[in-house]
Amino acid sequence: AQSVTQPDIHITVSEGASLELRCNYSYGATPYLFWYVQSPGQGLQLLLKYFSGDTLVQGIKGFEAEFKRSQSSFNLRKPSVHWSDAAEYFCAVGSLLTGGFKTIFGAGTRLFVKA
Amino acid sequence: DADVTQTPRNRITKTGKRIMLECSQTKGHDRMYWYRQDPGLGLRLIYYSFDVKDINKGEISDGYSVSRQAQAKFSLSLESAIPNQTALYFCATTGTSGRDTGELFFGEGSRLTVL
Repeated sequence: AQSVTQPDIHITVSEGASLELRCNYSYGATPYLFWYVQSPGQGLQLLLKYFSGDTLVQGIKGFEAEFKRSQSSFNLRKPSVHWSDAAEYFCAVGSLLTGGFKTIFGAGTRLFVKA
Repeated sequence: DADVTQTPRNRITKTGKRIMLECSQTKGHDRMYWYRQDPGLGLRLIYYSFDVKDINKGEISDGYSVSRQAQAKFSLSLESAIPNQTALYFCATTGTSGRDTGELFFGEGSRLTVL
């Protein structure tokens, strides 16, 4: 069965500082990995995804994530955080079944940005 | 107009009442999903449907039922609502056979409060 762990419930970083959000997954086959962001009072938007190939993937808003199979991790990074990045971030793992994807989410990490 | 529309956006009801949350999409996708979001628990999959004739239980289907009335419509019902079903509910879609990246497109959410 798939599962996703986001160890940090919340993180606070200063504006301009770098950011890393952790994600560990459990899945028996090749995972399809995603990061979504939920801004306050908003729905969810895809930041980036990994299916195969280059293990460092680029996303929107200056985010990137690195897939490390040996560590079962897919951590999200950003070199310099902006105040508008304050949001909740969800890591997700998808399994491709006959008929479509089944995607399971982690509990989320809430990011606070201080001036 | 939103590609994935949920109604109602907010609903307050009483224990024991039957509630239906509706979802419609204009993306032409076959695959539709219902998730619930609770603080600290992330999004949990309730039901998913890969086409009109296909319905599958997710992680937390007890107390819920669904109906896929058409390709574009997927409704979630609570037959007898209870307070611990108070949550934010999201409908989402992915793609169609041969054209599905696994990216979930979310509605704006339906906030349900059960008193």
